[in-house]
Amino acid sequence: GAGVSQSPRYKVAKRGQDVALRCDPISGHVSLFWYQQALGQGPEFLTYFQNEAQLDKSGLPSDRFFAERPEGSVSTLKIQRTQQEDSAVYLCASSLVVEQFFGPGTRLTVL
Amino acid sequence: AQKITQTQPGMFVQEKEAVTLDCTYDTSDPSYGLFWYKQPSSGEMIFLIYQGSYDQQNATEGRYSLNFQKARKSANLVISASQLGDSAMYFCAMREAYSSASKIIFGSGTRLSIRP
Repeated sequence: GAGVSQSPRYKVAKRGQDVALRCDPISGHVSLFWYQQALGQGPEFLTYFQNEAQLDKSGLPSDRFFAERPEGSVSTLKIQRTQQEDSAVYLCASSLVVEQFFGPGTRLTVL
Repeated sequence: AQKITQTQPGMFVQEKEAVTLDCTYDTSDPSYGLFWYKQPSSGEMIFLIYQGSYDQQNATEGRYSLNFQKARKSANLVISASQLGDSAMYFCAMREAYSSASKIIFGSGTRLSIRP
């Protein structure tokens, strides 16, 4: 595909459930980022991959959040034991040089 | 630490008028990049314009221009001849260093509404 894709677009989870969010970056993009965007706010950095290496995970809010990119392409953000405060839009972006290209996001609602 | 400040939570502008969205930033790194993104109600983040800290001229992309005042640490976005389709959230953002490996820090955004 031409752009970054994310799935699912919408996810509703009961508190305590585990969820997995997928990101397909633009082919050939080395850098991949995950951001969390709460309602009415700007995106906040979660973690960064260069190829398969997770070089920065300083933005992950707790050890319930885990991200991987095992083959340097598709990435998965996993949230264990979801809580209501995890409700947000999760954005994935990929980059080759300067610009970060964002996917449409996954809107997670935790009930 | 990096910080982006957008002081205008919302703005209303008449169609065809020019509009300036304010952005100030704070960083101790001499090398950084500044971005503006547009986020319509559909949710996607659309890249508009980029300015590197060492760029001598202000960046322009069609109707968008970035008024870069380095000494004042401001990077205001100017949209000329506004259109109804410009109604959206606008985020100013910064990345320290020029590397694609650096995370982007976003401001809180400005909601722009264009009146017909």
